[in-house]
Amino acid sequence: DADVTQTPRNRITKTGKRIMLECSQTKGHDRMYWYRQDPGLGLRLIYYSFDVKDINKGEISDGYSVSRQAQAKFSLSLESAIPNQTALYFCATSDGVANEKLFFGSGTQLSVL
Amino acid sequence: RKEVEQDPGPFNVPEGATVAFNCTYSNSASQSFFWYRQDCRKEPKLLMSVYSSGNEDGRFTAQLNRASQYISLLIRDSKLSDSATYLCVGSNTGNQFYFGTGTSLTVIP
Repeated sequence: DADVTQTPRNRITKTGKRIMLECSQTKGHDRMYWYRQDPGLGLRLIYYSFDVKDINKGEISDGYSVSRQAQAKFSLSLESAIPNQTALYFCATSDGVANEKLFFGSGTQLSVL
Repeated sequence: RKEVEQDPGPFNVPEGATVAFNCTYSNSASQSFFWYRQDCRKEPKLLMSVYSSGNEDGRFTAQLNRASQYISLLIRDSKLSDSATYLCVGSNTGNQFYFGTGTSLTVIP
């Protein structure tokens, strides 16, 4: 089983719909992140959380919200999806020690029509 | 200006060639650096961390030059399986990670 699991893998939705992307991890890491990836723009940070009670906005948080339900779970919501939120979304975790690395889920391809 | 910038390429090289990628960063407070590899539509995976003294892992060598604020990745004896996008990543004291847009490499038979 994957250490970082994202669901769904693919989602097609319509403008204005509410969408939730879920992420769970078995690595025991405190730190979790949501990124989106667009062609030519690289990965951009949406939100991050360093523990269950800590939620922080990233560089492109507008139009998104998150919930850290437990150490292992971090979900991303689009309250009212719009077409320019069509992207590949990645959840990631890190252990927070010096020179730590990121571990990514397999990604969710979201298309908003 | 982006925190981390890299040449998007594409780099098309023959098998067996040596290829080098460079990346520059703008925040002198950046603490740690990494190279990630990403295959098409897949998740990024850590290739190697980058240390000031330089480090090598098989055919891959990474260098960090803090004075000039650049990171490099050298791939020797390129294999077809090296074809991917290589992401330069920096992290700061706030433990946020900043990604370059990636450099595309295609190794040609």
